[in-house]
Order: sequence, then structure tokens, then C-alpha cells
Amino acid sequence: NAGVTQTPKFQVLKTGQSMTLQCAQDMNHEYMSWYRQDPGMGLRLIHYSVGAGITDQGEVPNGYNVSRSTTEDFPLRLLSAAPSQTSVYFCASSFGQDPQQFFGPGTRLTVL
Amino acid sequence: GESVGLHLPTLSVQEGDNSIINCAYSNSASDYFIWYKQESGKGPQFIIDIRSNMDKRQGQRVTVLLNKTVKHLSLQIAATQPGDSAVYFCAEILYGGSQGNLIFGKGTKLSVKP
Repeated sequence: NAGVTQTPKFQVLKTGQSMTLQCAQDMNHEYMSWYRQDPGMGLRLIHYSVGAGITDQGEVPNGYNVSRSTTEDFPLRLLSAAPSQTSVYFCASSFGQDPQQFFGPGTRLTVL
Repeated sequence: GESVGLHLPTLSVQEGDNSIINCAYSNSASDYFIWYKQESGKGPQFIIDIRSNMDKRQGQRVTVLLNKTVKHLSLQIAATQPGDSAVYFCAEILYGGSQGNLIFGKGTKLSVKP
């Protein structure tokens, strides 16, 4: 199993540009989520999904959209990038409500 | 978890010593408490969890203690090794309305001196 994969690893955007961060898992996990991590801080939940076709907002959803058309994929879209969205983004997945979540390697995003 | 801040607490230990990393959590109704390890440039990695109705759980070289009276969680690492150097996060989960979302503390950086 590849586990949780994320692409790209690094990305630089200009203010106002849009892009999609990809996340995929091959463990047949129902639950998937996106977090952002800022320097010296813990992870904050952006959006999550409890299954295909079901998504909901987390703690910091503004400026981000998600969709879950398949069990495997959970892309995160930045609609109009802002410097405040400079961060490291992590995708995670788990079996249902299992407290053990599996994290991807992260995408480091810089918005100029 | 702990309130968010700009500076990570740090803990420096000698190789072979035991390490104790502490965390204060906020929600007494949380169902599970979890410890994650994050090495530089990588995603968090699950270490161990403890259900809210327990006060101690042991794993391989790690022990988690839960004190609900003072809302305190600790991770003990026995015979700390250089490979244990990382940032350690505590997290809590409240099931039900929040659908089992993790709430992370700000982390503690553990440095192991050879």
C-alpha cells in the first residue's frame, strides 16, 4: 500500500491564482481530512469527509473548497490564493471514527 | 489541546534517559486522547491513544497517562533514542457532532543529545 499520497510537494502561487492540492489513499478509508500547519503551531482542520459525496467544514474553511467523488480521492481547492494561505497542508485518512489517522507527507505552499 | 502560540516548548534529554512530554487539554468530554510524532519535513505519525475512561496505557517504550481531574495528558518515552527527536503533538477527539475530528495541541519539540 502507498498509504496517503499528496501532490505536489511544493508549490508557489501568486495572489489571486487558484490551484488544487491532490490527496489520495489506497486503504479504503471512509474518513478523510485536510489540515494546515503554520510555523510553531499545531494542525488546524480545514475540511473533512466521512464518505464519498459527504463533506463538511472544519475550523478554518474560508478560502478552500473540497469534494469527495470517490473513496480514494479528496482534493482541496484554493479558489483565489492569498498570502495568509501560505502554509504546509496535510491530508489524513482513517477507518471511520478510528482515532489513528494516517497522514500524507504534506504540500508546502507559498503565496506571494 | 493547548492554546496556540508562536513558540514551541522544547525538551532536551540525554540519550538513554526517560522523557516526559506534557499536554493540557481543553474539553473534558473528549472521547480519546492521542499522541502524534512529527519528524522534520514529514507528516504526523500516530504513536498511541488512550480512551477517556482509562488512566494509563502502555505501548512499546511509550506510556500515556491521563489525569482527567486536572485535564492533563503525558507521554513517557523510556530509554530515549536519537530517533525519538521530533515534535510531539497531543490531540483529542470528541465523537458525535464533530464526527471524530482531531483537535491538536501546539506541540513540544524533543531533542535527544547523544
